[in-house]
Amino acid sequence: EAQVTQNPRYLITVTGKKLTVTCSQNMNHEYMSWYRQDPGLGLRQIYYSMNVEVTDKGDVPEGYKVSRKEKRNFPLILESPSPNQTSLYFCASRTQTGGRTEAFFGQGTRLTVV
Amino acid sequence: GQNIDQPTEMTATEGAIVQINCTYQTSGFNGLFWYQQHAGEAPTFLSYNVLDGLEEKGRFSSFLSRSKGYSYLLLKELQMKDSASYLCAVRSGGSYIPTFGRGTSLIVHP
Repeated sequence: EAQVTQNPRYLITVTGKKLTVTCSQNMNHEYMSWYRQDPGLGLRQIYYSMNVEVTDKGDVPEGYKVSRKEKRNFPLILESPSPNQTSLYFCASRTQTGGRTEAFFGQGTRLTVV
Repeated sequence: GQNIDQPTEMTATEGAIVQINCTYQTSGFNGLFWYQQHAGEAPTFLSYNVLDGLEEKGRFSSFLSRSKGYSYLLLKELQMKDSASYLCAVRSGGSYIPTFGRGTSLIVHP
């Protein structure tokens, strides 16, 4: 089954404690991205990657890091989380093959930083 | 940058038709997505418009006018399960990753 898998689904952590949210896709997609979703602000892009070892900042990259060492994985790293990073996070992947260019989303990670 | 605007909230009656509008301002437009998102869940793909005109897919249709920077999502024969947030997203300037609007929360009541 084609899917994007995020882990964990829920996480409560303390300020300053490094954490990683994993994202894996099994569709051989070139493009992957991370979004955060906050009430009244919609989905905002954090980082994206167009292929292995190619990453770039989105609209709200501050406080986040990513890596793309393999095509299937695109982890989101918070080196020193702060309460303003409490949010719902989504990973997405897509391909440019043919005319169907939809993005597939993971199930989301609800992060609370206290 | 891009500016994507859609109404914050709409209400409609079960069985009726509702039109959700999206306007955008961008350079180098490539395409426009519509996604549906139920509370606490991942967005799911509804449609992708590249050319002007109406595309119909069952109860849902999506329209695009590139010259006006305007799109709408039309939902027919509304069902209670259609209560969700509807997200308009634009791909432009050669970027392969879309930028999302803030979403329209649709409430369907009996």
